[in-house]
Amino acid sequence: DAGVTQSPTHLIKTRGQQVTLRCSPKSGHDTVSWYQQALGQGPQFIFQYYEEEERQRGNFPDRFSGHQFPNYSSELNVNALLLGDSALYLCASTKTTSTKNIQYFGAGTRLSVL
Amino acid sequence: AQTVTQSQPEMSVQEAETVTLSCTYDTSESDYYLFWYKQPPSRQMILVIRQEAYKQQNATENRFSVNFQKAAKSFSLKISDSQLGDAAMYFCAYSLPMEYGNKLVFGAGTILRVKS
Repeated sequence: DAGVTQSPTHLIKTRGQQVTLRCSPKSGHDTVSWYQQALGQGPQFIFQYYEEEERQRGNFPDRFSGHQFPNYSSELNVNALLLGDSALYLCASTKTTSTKNIQYFGAGTRLSVL
Repeated sequence: AQTVTQSQPEMSVQEAETVTLSCTYDTSESDYYLFWYKQPPSRQMILVIRQEAYKQQNATENRFSVNFQKAAKSFSLKISDSQLGDAAMYFCAYSLPMEYGNKLVFGAGTILRVKS
């Protein structure tokens, strides 16, 4: 049973560029959430997708957008990259009908903006 | 807005000893979930233990247990018989039930060092 997988593992971009990060949820899960974790800090919620719609959004600018596909996988897009966007981006998945309310995380994508 | 506070940036424990990590949170809700996640250098966030707020009984998972004090909004993690593999960053997190949007709100984390 594959867990949450994220790609790529590491990415280097320059200011002003655009980036797309990808996430495949754990088997059987239908909800995907994205978090940004700056170095030495706790993760911050970006947004959550369910049934291909953004269900909940954190305090992030519109430069951060996402998508969920019919197979429940998801993408995070960041436009006009800033130095401050350098962080570990974590994807988490959960099953909406589960009573346990547990989110399972991938190993993350480390984004470096130069 | 809900907030989670971890007041211990770093803790150390001797192998086989017991250590307690502190966490407080702020919420006006009565139904919610609390979690402890572990993040080793490999970066993968791993669930350690989970507590449902409406359950008074403290959760336990093998060597890990919590002290959940709902009135005080406190949720500490006790690690017994500490092992070298327990060394990691530990995050306390809060979420509402799924039907209200179960985004996780994390604390700043506590680095746990285990000495042999």
